[in-house]
Amino acid sequence: KQEVTQIPAALSVPEGENLVLNCSFTDSAIYNLQWFRQDPGKGLTSLLLIQSSQREQTSGRLNASLDKSSGRSTLYIAASQPGDSATYLCAVIPYNAGNNRKLIWGLGTSLAVNP
Amino acid sequence: GAGVSQSPRYKVAKRGQDVALRCDPISGHVSLFWYQQALGQGPEFLTYFQNEAQLDKSGLPSDRFFAERPEGSVSTLKIQRTQQEDSAVYLCASSLAGRPNGNQPQHFGDGTRLSIL
Repeated sequence: KQEVTQIPAALSVPEGENLVLNCSFTDSAIYNLQWFRQDPGKGLTSLLLIQSSQREQTSGRLNASLDKSSGRSTLYIAASQPGDSATYLCAVIPYNAGNNRKLIWGLGTSLAVNP
Repeated sequence: GAGVSQSPRYKVAKRGQDVALRCDPISGHVSLFWYQQALGQGPEFLTYFQNEAQLDKSGLPSDRFFAERPEGSVSTLKIQRTQQEDSAVYLCASSLAGRPNGNQPQHFGDGTRLSIL
């Protein structure tokens, strides 16, 4: 059974720092891995999607890497800003999902960037 | 709008009442998902539609939960005889692809926050 773990559960940093969020998954047979952002009381915003054949994806100050063989992904946020404060969740689609592409989720990392 | 729309944003009901939650996916998206997110937890899968066909309902916690997507567009999640443990945020997501595909993200609505008193 696929399980997704995120470390740390919470992180507080001063503005301007570069930071890394970690995600690990137990079964390397995945279609893809997605990183999402969730603001309080809001839904989920997709940040980056990495296909199983890819090693990394970049969008602005965000860079996500994927090491499928070791079951790990990292989300790198450069030059953090107070507006980056949110909960960051990673999720995978297991390869054995068949016709169902349901996401299996971590519990998230709650990030606070202090001015 | 261009995104996934859910209504209502907030719903308060008394225990035992029936509720209906609506999801308008992105136009043309084949796949539609419902997830349940308890406070401080990640989302948990409930059910999946490919067009109007409900291909997986393995995540529905009991037979009080029912979902439909009769015309392959708008979907409704209905909860009968609500219980306090049903209190959660219910998220809807849609995706363009209808088959397992590595490059199609799921796009989420803002959710419906359900509180059962």
